[in-house]
Formats: sequence, structure tokens, C-alpha cells
Amino acid sequence: GQNIDQPTEMTATEGAIVQINCTYQTSGFNGLFWYQQHAGEAPTFLSYNVLDGLEEKGRFSSFLSRSKGYSYLLLKELQMKDSASYLCAVRDWETNAGKSTFGDGTTLTVKP
Amino acid sequence: DGGITQSPKYLFRKEGQNVTLSCEQNLNHDAMYWYRQDPGQGLRLIYYSQIVNDFQKGDIAEGYSVSREKKESFPLTVTSAQKNPTAFYLCASSPGTGQNIQYFGAGTRLSVL
Repeated sequence: GQNIDQPTEMTATEGAIVQINCTYQTSGFNGLFWYQQHAGEAPTFLSYNVLDGLEEKGRFSSFLSRSKGYSYLLLKELQMKDSASYLCAVRDWETNAGKSTFGDGTTLTVKP
Repeated sequence: DGGITQSPKYLFRKEGQNVTLSCEQNLNHDAMYWYRQDPGQGLRLIYYSQIVNDFQKGDIAEGYSVSREKKESFPLTVTSAQKNPTAFYLCASSPGTGQNIQYFGAGTRLSVL
């Protein structure tokens, strides 16, 4: 099984940088995903990490350390529209279907 | 446009009634999934299917049933055995290979009358 932990809520200021952490425990790690979900909407894919290191995509970056069971999502130059829930999801080797376990999400509020 | 379509957007269920949520994808994805989301929580897996005519239980399958007769379609039935069905239901699909990223439909919000 898997256990995924994320902070419940975070607040940051427009234009700033925020880091959302995710720690996990899994018997057979096979990839970690970050999704963004605005209230009442479907999650949308942000990033994928399977090897250690940093993946950068514009204002968003995601980091993975498999030995520490740790990932973070870094959001730069925050905008008001970045206010959303950010979900960390971990896939393991039990199935090749991409079955993933999701954390409860971190609700980010961006203030002016 | 390619994507995943869920219907209806809102659904009301009477006690003792079975209701079916529709999920259709035209992305040619092999794998499909159903999740339940309660307020302030993450997604919990109900059922998933890796290929047509095959599906497996997820973490909270009790009170739900699915079918996968066509690659494009993966309907979810919420049966009367599900005593607390009020939630936001999300369907997703993924290619089944490579990064196997899941893409989500817009969701169905189910309430009990």
C-alpha cells in the first residue's frame, strides 16, 4: 500500500514563490504526478517525475528524491489564478495500468 | 476535439435507486478509471480497467459496479447498497503505456434526495 502526506493549506502572495511538499511511502515506486484542481473542476496534469531531480515547465517545477520518498512542486511568479488545490499522486509497480494513489491535496490561496 | 465526456453534470438519487454515470473517451486510451472525491479530500479509486472486457476493484468498490464493453466507454453504476453516495465522481483515462498520464473528465456531482 501507499501513504501520501501533503500540507492541507498554504497561503502565498502574488508574485512570490511557493513550495508544496509531498512525502510518500510505497513498496514499489513507479512515478509521481502533480495535478492542479480548481474548485469544482477536474484535476489537470502538471508534472511527472520518475527519476531523481528537477523537472521544469515554465513557472512550475517538480523535484523528486526517491531515496527520501519526497517530492515538491515549486510555483514561481505566483498569479491569482494559481489559487487551487494541488494533488500529489504516486504510482507503484503493482499494476502497469497507471493505477495511482492520490494525496488529500494542498489548497493554495494566493493573496494580492 | 479529443477528450473525456462525463454526463450528467449533476445527478440526484432517491433512496433505494440505482443510478448510472456515463464516461466516454475518444483519446483511444486503453485504461480508464473512476474516482470519488469528498469535500476537502483527495481522489479515492473505485474501479479501473486496463483493457476492454476487464476491470478491477479499487480501494472503495463496495456499492458500485462497472462495465467495459467498449474501449471508449466505462459507465459507473451507484447501487442502492452504497449508503453514502453524495460526492463528486471523476472519470479518467490513460494510454496504458509510457508516462501513462491520466486525463480527467469534468465530473458528475451526485446528491441524494
